[in-house]
Formats: sequence, C-alpha cells, structure tokens
Amino acid sequence: KQEVTQIPAALSVPEGENLVLNCSFTDSAIYNLQWFRQDPGKGLTSLLLIQSSQREQTSGRLNASLDKSSGRSTLYIAASQPGDSATYLCAVSMEYGNKLVFGAGTILRVKS
Amino acid sequence: DAGVIQSPRHEVTEMGQEVTLRCKPISGHDYLFWYRQTMMRGLELLIYFNNNVPIDDSGMPEDRFSAKMPNASFSTLKIQPSEPRDSAVYFCASSSWDRTSTDTQYFGPGTRLTVL
Repeated sequence: KQEVTQIPAALSVPEGENLVLNCSFTDSAIYNLQWFRQDPGKGLTSLLLIQSSQREQTSGRLNASLDKSSGRSTLYIAASQPGDSATYLCAVSMEYGNKLVFGAGTILRVKS
Repeated sequence: DAGVIQSPRHEVTEMGQEVTLRCKPISGHDYLFWYRQTMMRGLELLIYFNNNVPIDDSGMPEDRFSAKMPNASFSTLKIQPSEPRDSAVYFCASSSWDRTSTDTQYFGPGTRLTVL
C-alpha cells in the first residue's frame, strides 16, 4: 500500500527566504507526482505535476524535483512571500487516471 | 470554463438525515473523483468514475455512502443515514485524458458537511 509522508509538518520562515518542502513515498512505481496548494477553507490548486520519466518541473519561483528510485520529491520555493502562506500537499498516482494518494501536508507560514 | 462546481458549499444536518452532495466536472473531462478531508485522516479518495462508470469504490467507508454519475456533467454523493463522524469537507475533482494531457486533477471548492 502506497504511503506518502511530508516533512516538516509545519514551517515558519521570514519573508525572502528560500525553502524546501520534502515528500517521500514507499512504492517507487508511480505514474506521476503532484504538488498542490490549499488555502484555509478552500479547495486544492495544482502547482506542479512531474511525470515518472521526468526529473523536475519549474513554474515561476517554484521548482519540484523527483527521484523516483529513492522515493523522494522536493518542492523548492525561492524568495518566499507572505502570499505563499498555505498548506502544501504532495500526492502520487500509480497509473493514469487512478486515484491520488496524498501526504498530510506541510503548513507554511511566511512572516513579513 | 468555470472549473469544478460543487453544491452546496456548506451543509448542516442532523444525525439520521439524508445528505446529497453535488458536483459538476469541467466540461470534456472524463474522470471524476470524490475525496473526503478530515483532520484525523487527511485527504482520502472515496470513489472515482471514468466515462460515467464507477471504477474504484474501495474508499467508500460503508453502505451508507453511495455515488452516481448519470451523465458526463453531473455526479452526486449521497449519505443515508448521516452520522456525526461523517462531518468533513468533501471534494470533487475531475481530469481529462488525451495525448497531450498532463493528468492534472482539478478540484472543486468543496462542501463542508456538519452532522449534529
């Protein structure tokens, strides 16, 4: 059974810092991995999706890497801003169209 | 496109009552997912459909839960009878397959259910 773990559970940083969120999964035979953002009381917004054949994806100040063989992914946020404060969720899919297995999330607070 | 639409946004009901949650996926998407989010268990998949056909309902907690997708633009999740432990936020998501698809799942805003 696939299990997804995210570290740290919570993180508080001053504005402007670069930071890394970690995600690990137990079964490396994944189809893809997604990072989501969830604001309080809101739904999930997809940030980046990495296919199993890819090593990384970038969008603006966000960069996500994937090391499938070791079962790890990282989300790098450059020059953090207070607006980045949210919960960040990592999720893996085992095959196309199949269910996502989510980690518990990292609660990020960026202080101004 | 308006994105995934869910209704109601909030539902408060009493134990034993029937609850129906509704979802309209993004037009053209052929996969639809129902998730439940609680503090204790995080986000869990309940059931998903492909082309209106249920594919995996192993996450449905018990027979009190049922889901239908009568057509490509509408799905319901019903709880009958409801219990306090069903209190959670229920999300609907949809995705599309084509040769250029990234397989991203798009989530609705969720329905916050409170069972008293």
